Amino acid sequence: RKEVEQDPGPFNVPEGATVAFNCTYSNSASQSFFWYRQDCRKEPKLLMSVYSSGNEDGRFTAQLNRASQYISLLIRDSKLSDSATYLCVVNDDNDMRFGAGTRLTVKP
Amino acid sequence: DAGVTQSPTHLIKTRGQHVTLRCSPISGHKSVSWYQQVLGQGPQFIFQYYEKEERGRGNFPDRFSARQFPNYSSELNVNALLLGDSALYLCASSWGPHNEQFFGPGTRLTVL
Repeated sequence: RKEVEQDPGPFNVPEGATVAFNCTYSNSASQSFFWYRQDCRKEPKLLMSVYSSGNEDGRFTAQLNRASQYISLLIRDSKLSDSATYLCVVNDDNDMRFGAGTRLTVKP
Repeated sequence: DAGVTQSPTHLIKTRGQHVTLRCSPISGHKSVSWYQQVLGQGPQFIFQYYEKEERGRGNFPDRFSARQFPNYSSELNVNALLLGDSALYLCASSWGPHNEQFFGPGTRLTVL
C-alpha cells in the first residue's frame, strides 16, 4: 500500500464547476499536511497547509480527518488557470511524502 | 526576496559518471530537502538537512549523498550514475523540518 494515495484523475471540468480531490495516508503519526500544485515541467508550489479544523483560502477549502487519515481539497468556481496537477503532501517526523498527484483540466 | 535557487538547470551525463547539484535556500530558512521526480510521479524524498545535520533519508542507495554548509546552502552528490537516475531533482527549503517547503526550479538530469 502506498503511503500517500491520490486519485490520479484526470479530472476534466468546465469553468465554474466545483471539484474535490481526496487523499489518504498510512502513517497515523503524521504531523503536518499540505496541498501543492504543479504546472507542467515546473516545480511544485505551495497551495495551502491543512489544519485539523479545516481551512479556507478564497475558492479553496482544505480539510483533514485524522481518524480516517484522509485529506481533501475543494475548489469552487473553477478557473482555466486552476488547470494543474495537485499534490497531497504528508509530513512525517523526518520527511515529506508526496502523493502521485491528481491532474485537473478546466475547460472553457 | 530571492526564492530557492538551484544550479545547474540542466545537465547531461553518461553512465558511471558523478554529478553535484547545488541549492541555495530562501534567506533565513535553515532546512533543505532534496527530491527526485520522474515523469508522471510525485517527488520522492531523498534527504532532509536541518541546521547542517541530516534529519532524514529516503529509500535511495548509498550512491546518493548530500551535505549542508554553514550558510545553509546544500549539495546533492550522485556517484556511479545509472540511466534510471535521469529525473528532475528538486530542492526545497523551509524554516524548520515540519514547516511549509518552498521549491526551487529544479535541475533536470539526463543520464545517457
